[in-house]
Amino acid sequence: QQPVQSPQAVILREGEDAVINCSSSKALYSVHWYRQKHGEAPIFLMILLKGGEQKGHDKISASFNEKKQQSSLYLTASQLSYSGTYFCGTESPHRDDKIIFGKGTRLHILP
Amino acid sequence: NAGVTQTPKFRILKIGQSMTLQCAQDMNHNYMYWYRQDPGMGLKLIYYSVGAGITDKGEVPNGYNVSRSTTEDFPLRLELAAPSQTSVYFCASKGEVAQYFGPGTRLLVL
Repeated sequence: QQPVQSPQAVILREGEDAVINCSSSKALYSVHWYRQKHGEAPIFLMILLKGGEQKGHDKISASFNEKKQQSSLYLTASQLSYSGTYFCGTESPHRDDKIIFGKGTRLHILP
Repeated sequence: NAGVTQTPKFRILKIGQSMTLQCAQDMNHNYMYWYRQDPGMGLKLIYYSVGAGITDKGEVPNGYNVSRSTTEDFPLRLELAAPSQTSVYFCASKGEVAQYFGPGTRLLVL
């Protein structure tokens, strides 16, 4: 089942912080975060695994609440290059290797 | 190291025509995926494969077929194109952690 992302869109000024949320109605093994710029392919940012392990970007942080089946992506001191659409992808504990993506959150950074 | 490559970049099909979208990766990844992306709908999983000879359905498999005869290649087949298949198609492969996406194929069915 498709995870739900919020908000749908965010407009920030450079230097401001943003939080993007991802929630699932089912138990999760992992949450993946990707960023896509207009007309380009999605790029991997981070993966959060059950048990708290994180792997990925050194300038963006995230959390994973396994009990609530939720993840949040934290963008601090946003830069113009952070603009794009952010997708979370979820993987079930069954480890069926399917990664199901949410509808995305559009982030626009103003100078 | 080219990563994930897709051909063609853009194609216009007439209703009822068939075509194959090509995808290849040179990272020796076992896992490969096909997604379609429609405006505001995110990425929908069509089919995926965990290795040569093994494929499985994703969220929206109807109207598509796949095969995986080698580790490198994962073609997506549209047998009878319909306007609802107008979309951007992304192929991806997955290593130990991350999925790597190809540049996409934009398909227009008229």
